[in-house]
Amino acid sequence: AQTVTQSQPEMSVQEAETVTLSCTYDTSESDYYLFWYKQPPSRQMILVIRQEAYKQQNATENRFSVNFQKAAKSFSLKISDSQLGDAAMYFCAYRRGNAGGTSYGKLTFGQGTILTVHP
Amino acid sequence: NAGVTQTPKFQVLKTGQSMTLQCAQDMNHNSMYWYRQDPGMGLRLIYYSASEGTTDKGEVPNGYNVSRLNKREFSLRLESAAPSQTSVYFCASSEALGLAGETGELFFGEGSRLTVL
Repeated sequence: AQTVTQSQPEMSVQEAETVTLSCTYDTSESDYYLFWYKQPPSRQMILVIRQEAYKQQNATENRFSVNFQKAAKSFSLKISDSQLGDAAMYFCAYRRGNAGGTSYGKLTFGQGTILTVHP
Repeated sequence: NAGVTQTPKFQVLKTGQSMTLQCAQDMNHNSMYWYRQDPGMGLRLIYYSASEGTTDKGEVPNGYNVSRLNKREFSLRLESAAPSQTSVYFCASSEALGLAGETGELFFGEGSRLTVL
């Protein structure tokens, strides 16, 4: 079974600075997807960024980028120019791929990292 | 655009009572899921339905039952609530990988906070 580990229960950053959240995962598969979700105090789960394992290039979405190290099974999230609105719980998640066919599947989540942004 | 709607948002139960959490999605997704969120444990999968007419156990299915009523609706039932089931419950839906442009992203409801006394 796949496992996802976020070893940082809490992180903090000053506004406008950069912070990196860590995530490692364990899988024997070569085809999979990785996600970062944000959960603000409203409780809503919001997709931040996703990465396809077959892609060499790291995904980027505005101020959010990932460092995907497939061999090390590491998937960290970098938030640049941090804003007060970035304060939230962040979850890393894994999903198996479809190996060329059509498949239905579930996400496995890490424990979450609470990010505090100081003004 | 409602997306995924779950009800109720809050519920307090006494030990031994039963209740059903309702979930509906309007995105025509095939797959639906129920997760529970507990402090320090992230989101754990209770049950899922890969497609209409099928349901499967997830990581923590004990004490729960589900019904995939139709393609839109997926309900979660607690037959005899226990304090260990105090949690925040999330319903989610997704489309299948392999379809054009789909990456299996989950779309979530707003969550339901359940307290069992």
